[in-house]
Amino acid sequence: QVQLQESGPGVVKPSQTLSLTCTVSGGSISTGGYYWTWIRQLPGKGLEWIGHIYYSGRTSYNPSLQSRLSISIDTSKSQFSLKLTSVTAADTAVYYCARDSSGYLIAALDIWGQGTMVTVSS
Amino acid sequence: EIVLTQSPATLSLSPGERATLSCRASQSVRNNLAWYQQKPGQAPRLLIYDASNRATGIPARFSGSGSGTDFTLTISSLEPEDFAVYYCQQRTNWPPFTFGPGTKVEIK
Repeated sequence: QVQLQESGPGVVKPSQTLSLTCTVSGGSISTGGYYWTWIRQLPGKGLEWIGHIYYSGRTSYNPSLQSRLSISIDTSKSQFSLKLTSVTAADTAVYYCARDSSGYLIAALDIWGQGTMVTVSS
Repeated sequence: EIVLTQSPATLSLSPGERATLSCRASQSVRNNLAWYQQKPGQAPRLLIYDASNRATGIPARFSGSGSGTDFTLTISSLEPEDFAVYYCQQRTNWPPFTFGPGTKVEIK
């Protein structure tokens, strides 16, 4: 079955760029109908939708992060990536990648990665 | 941005009891609402989509209802593995797809 796995640095310095990659296995990232999504969870807090990307490269971002955010996709590697610039301590969180199956009439995030903790600290 | 409010913040119940969790939206989301369960140290898991459809593999004791602005997740008889945090997410007005703050179901 489809699995997602996040990877990237666990610590990022303030003002630098946070970069994470999600690798999709067990299925094709190029299949239409799926939106490849990033979500984060601040320590002890709830969930925040960051943004998503379609296999075509079309993106949608959370307006609160849009000025610092970029999501890209590499279908040849079955990966999609997140870049968040000018990070501060407020960006410290567990970052999840997930699959949104809206195109298949499951309007929800039906598969999640295990999450990766990113700490912004000097 | 649509704001979701969940109540109660914490629900203290015993195994076998019925749990009723509420999610209220700041404006109508029609039936475009999902519910997720999260256990400590784990990623969220999809339970319900489109307000009332159980996701694959989700036991029948979980049910969702509601439309417009008021939604309910019901666990008919709590099993030990059901003690967790539950989040609702609206899927109508985006970006962003917003989540509620969560309801923690704890053992009494």
